[in-house]
Amino acid sequence: AQTVTQSQPEMSVQEAETVTLSCTYDTSESDYYLFWYKQPPSRQMILVIRQEAYKQQNATENRFSVNFQKAAKSFSLKISDSQLGDAAMYFCAYTQGGSEKLVFGKGTKLTVNP
Amino acid sequence: GAVVSQHPSWVICKSGTSVKIECRSLDFQATTMFWYRQFPKQSLMLMATSNEGSKATYEQGVEKDKFLINHASLTLSTLTVTSAHPEDSSFYICSAGAGLADPPYEQYFGPGTRLTVT
Repeated sequence: AQTVTQSQPEMSVQEAETVTLSCTYDTSESDYYLFWYKQPPSRQMILVIRQEAYKQQNATENRFSVNFQKAAKSFSLKISDSQLGDAAMYFCAYTQGGSEKLVFGKGTKLTVNP
Repeated sequence: GAVVSQHPSWVICKSGTSVKIECRSLDFQATTMFWYRQFPKQSLMLMATSNEGSKATYEQGVEKDKFLINHASLTLSTLTVTSAHPEDSSFYICSAGAGLADPPYEQYFGPGTRLTVT
């Protein structure tokens, strides 16, 4: 079965500091896509960053970057210079190539302390 | 970016009645739409996948006769909760996928609908 595991139910970080959220996944496929979504209190799902499995280079989007370790099936999210607006639930997800169906992890609640 | 709307954002209905939730892709044609259910402090649970003009594919354990999904066009999908009961109270989220459009296999999420059944 395809699974996504987020081992940290909750994390906290001081404003302006850096935090890393963990995610591991299990798939036997070679072609897939990985995503991190943010869900703030408004509950609107927002795409933070995506990574194509065939790309070796780690994706970055401004203060957000990933550490993609394909052999280890690990896909962690690093948030630099954390801001109060980063406080949210973060969901790791993946989809196989050829399918748009997303498999989500259980989420990590991130608190940013002023 | 692509925009997906949902209507209504919040609905209260009485037990035994039916309620319809609309999901629209506003600026692109969605080849596939997805319906999720989310309980408080939990992850999204996929209920069904729908393609325009085809019957929806329901996930295991989801009652297809209770949660009716219609995908009438490339920009509109509806979820009807029939004979709603208090246990159907939840947050329902739709998403729309643009298939192989750039970037491929990306889903765009609606803002969600909070359903309360009294």
